Amino acid sequence: AQSVTQPDIHITVSEGASLELRCNYSYGATPYLFWYVQSPGQGLQLLLKYFSGDTLVQGIKGFEAEFKRSQSSFNLRKPSVHWSDAAEYFCAVEAYNTDKLIFGTGTRLQVFP
Amino acid sequence: EAQVTQNPRYLITVTGKKLTVTCSQNMNHEYMSWYRQDPGLGLRQIYYSMNVEVTDKGDVPEGYKVSRKEKRNFPLILESPSPNQTSLYFCASRMGQDNSPLHFGNGTRLTVT
Repeated sequence: AQSVTQPDIHITVSEGASLELRCNYSYGATPYLFWYVQSPGQGLQLLLKYFSGDTLVQGIKGFEAEFKRSQSSFNLRKPSVHWSDAAEYFCAVEAYNTDKLIFGTGTRLQVFP
Repeated sequence: EAQVTQNPRYLITVTGKKLTVTCSQNMNHEYMSWYRQDPGLGLRQIYYSMNVEVTDKGDVPEGYKVSRKEKRNFPLILESPSPNQTSLYFCASRMGQDNSPLHFGNGTRLTVT
């Protein structure tokens, strides 16, 4: 069965610092991969997605993620974090042709000025 | 504006008193889904619907019902709520089986005493 692991429950960074949020998945083939962000009191918003092709994908708000098949990872990165990036981030995986999206448990990002 | 609308945003009720959380989308999406979000557990799927009159169980369907009589609406029904259903609920929708991203509502925080 497919699963998603986000090993970091809570991350704190200073504004302007770089960021990497980890995501590992378990699935027999290449899944569809997503990163969503949830601001306080809001629903989830798609940051970026990977289906196939270039393994480095660009998303909104200056985020990018890299798919590494050998490590079963899809880590989210941002070169310079802004205070408005403080939120909870969810990695999600969907097996091909299943319409079943599995979410990780989330990583809460705190940004200090 | 394209959106998924959930009502109410907050709901406090007592054990056993039937309730309905409404969800409506204005994007003509075929696929709709309900999730619950609990600390440390991420989002777990309750029920989903591929189209009108087609519904399927997700990972945690016990204690919930849904219906899809119209394409735009997908209400979540708790016939006899219990305290373990206290949670944050999200409705989401997307186009059909093309792995397009989910659009989320802003959530309904339910407390069952």
